[in-house]
Amino acid sequence: GESVGLHLPTLSVQEGDNSIINCAYSNSASDYFIWYKQESGKGPQFIIDIRSNMDKRQGQRVTVLLNKTVKHLSLQIAATQPGDSAVYFCAENINYGQNFVFGPGTRLSVLP
Amino acid sequence: NAGVTQTPKFQVLKTGQSMTLQCAQDMNHEYMSWYRQDPGMGLRLIHYSVGAGITDQGEVPNGYNVSRSTTEDFPLRLLSAAPSQTSVYFCASSYRGHYGYTFGSGTRLTVV
Repeated sequence: GESVGLHLPTLSVQEGDNSIINCAYSNSASDYFIWYKQESGKGPQFIIDIRSNMDKRQGQRVTVLLNKTVKHLSLQIAATQPGDSAVYFCAENINYGQNFVFGPGTRLSVLP
Repeated sequence: NAGVTQTPKFQVLKTGQSMTLQCAQDMNHEYMSWYRQDPGMGLRLIHYSVGAGITDQGEVPNGYNVSRSTTEDFPLRLLSAAPSQTSVYFCASSYRGHYGYTFGSGTRLTVV
């Protein structure tokens, strides 16, 4: 289940289950969104992006859903694997501008 | 392509010392940025550049300087290190914001 820890919200899932990571964004003018994955000791890595003219976008094992009405993003990971254990950040942007604003992140822990 | 290269990977400074964190990218990206990441927090923008000769402040610019004399390089200077600057620093670059940023592997800085 999902719980709020001292630092980061943590989501624990069983290997093979689907994961859903949520993000509330702050600016109603944001029109471009990205999910990043950050493994321990590494920089964030691009996973998938979505523009505000779309509600859903699919990649390999990942799907991003965008609900502009409530300013909410979610990242769905199918058949979660141990290698998916990481911190996941959403980031919002306006018109492919310079400044991406990052959310605080969610730690995904995959249980064997 | 090496992507985004940051040096050093680790650094310990005494309060009041100055130093420069190096960042270089070989993707001919126009946009470059410096972020800091503190435990349990998302990434916060320090300074950014939209091209050679152009820099601007982000969310937390105090105590840092940048310059962008070439497209490839974007060094971050700490003028007089303080313990509050203990953090992990990430340099990132992008093609005009499209597809988000490519991040370096980070510099872990400790100020004692």
